[in-house]
Amino acid sequence: EAQVTQNPRYLITVTGKKLTVTCSQNMNHEYMSWYRQDPGLGLRQIYYSMNVEVTDKGDVPEGYKVSRKEKRNFPLILESPSPNQTSLYFCASSSGQGTSGNTIYFGEGSWLTVV
Amino acid sequence: SQQGEEDPQALSIQEGENATMNCSYKTSINNLQWYRQNSGRGLVHLILIRSNEREKHSGRLRVTLDTSKKSSSLLITASRAADTASYFCATGDTGRRALTFGSGTRLQVQP
Repeated sequence: EAQVTQNPRYLITVTGKKLTVTCSQNMNHEYMSWYRQDPGLGLRQIYYSMNVEVTDKGDVPEGYKVSRKEKRNFPLILESPSPNQTSLYFCASSSGQGTSGNTIYFGEGSWLTVV
Repeated sequence: SQQGEEDPQALSIQEGENATMNCSYKTSINNLQWYRQNSGRGLVHLILIRSNEREKHSGRLRVTLDTSKKSSSLLITASRAADTASYFCATGDTGRRALTFGSGTRLQVQP
């Protein structure tokens, strides 16, 4: 079954404690990205990756890091989380950029609370 | 920056009625997609319409695109309680390497 799997699904952490949200896809997609969803703001892209070892900033990259060492994995790293990073995070993948009409597949979301 | 803006922000209808949601965008696009999100879950792709298309159907869904007005509409016919969800439009333009999502329309279908 085609899947984008992200973990953890729910996390409460404290300010400044580094955390990683993992993301894995089983569709051999080249393109992966991370979004955050906040009330009234829709989905905003944090980072994306066109392929292995190729990553680029989205609209709201501050406070986040990513890596793409393998095609299927695209972890999101919060080196020093702050309360304004409390949000619902989605990992997504597609066979193309998405702008050319490729369907984007989303994970189930990770609820992150930073206190 | 937000490209797509959905209207209305919230919509409540009775089962069996039709639901219409609108999306406006700002820049030139090469395609527009609609996604559905059940509460707190991931988004699911519904339908894609390309910039050279004016209308597209998929089951009970009908999407129109008016590039001169930079707007699209999603019509769900004969709605069901299971259609209760948030609906997002997402635009793809050649200047960006990502889809840009609007803030969504929350649809409530009363049984």
